Amino acid sequence: DTAVSQTPKYLVTQMGNDKSIKCEQNLGHDTMYWYKQDSKKFLKIMFSYNNKELIINETVPNRFSPKSPDKAHLNLHINSLELGDSAVYFCASSQRRGGETQYFGPGTRLLVL
Amino acid sequence: DAKTTQPNSMESNEEEPVHLPCNHSTISGTDYIHWYRQLPSQGPEYVIHGLTSNVNNRMASLAIAEDRKSSTLILHRATLRDAAVYYCILGNSGGSNYKLTFGKGTLLTVNP
Repeated sequence: DTAVSQTPKYLVTQMGNDKSIKCEQNLGHDTMYWYKQDSKKFLKIMFSYNNKELIINETVPNRFSPKSPDKAHLNLHINSLELGDSAVYFCASSQRRGGETQYFGPGTRLLVL
Repeated sequence: DAKTTQPNSMESNEEEPVHLPCNHSTISGTDYIHWYRQLPSQGPEYVIHGLTSNVNNRMASLAIAEDRKSSTLILHRATLRDAAVYYCILGNSGGSNYKLTFGKGTLLTVNP
């Protein structure tokens, strides 16, 4: 069983559309994260949730809205997609808030045309 | 956030040891040293972490300088599967808003 899974793996869409990426972890962890890796391969944190509570919210456009229905799931909804949103989005989880060992999903490759 | 400095790239031969250096001269007393790696087209993967003493696990060893201003990740016998970008990251374990801040990392190439 995959510890941290993401769907979809690939997402190709037009500018202006709204899309969602889903993440699930079966590790029983309390904390989940969203990272963005751009074309230059820099990996930056976007959000973090601990037991469904938002604890890290980096400088991210309001078009990005994370939602955590329960501590095993953290979804990312993106409104009005722009070309610059094209990137690989990684979900991760850690056992606790402030846990340094994070387990990453396989990534969702988003291409905005 | 305390910063780390790593070489952009390194090359090794299969089945030889690899020493990946990391400088962190501004490390604070409570900062842990973490290493992650990212294989091509995959998410980052935890490798090892330590505070002051050298650490060993099934994947690698971490050698930490006595003054903690530098560290070295040691892969004892490189395999082709070890070709990846290796990230050295500092973090304060247990901080409630702890986050991993990835730098550019070191691209390791393993030659057969």
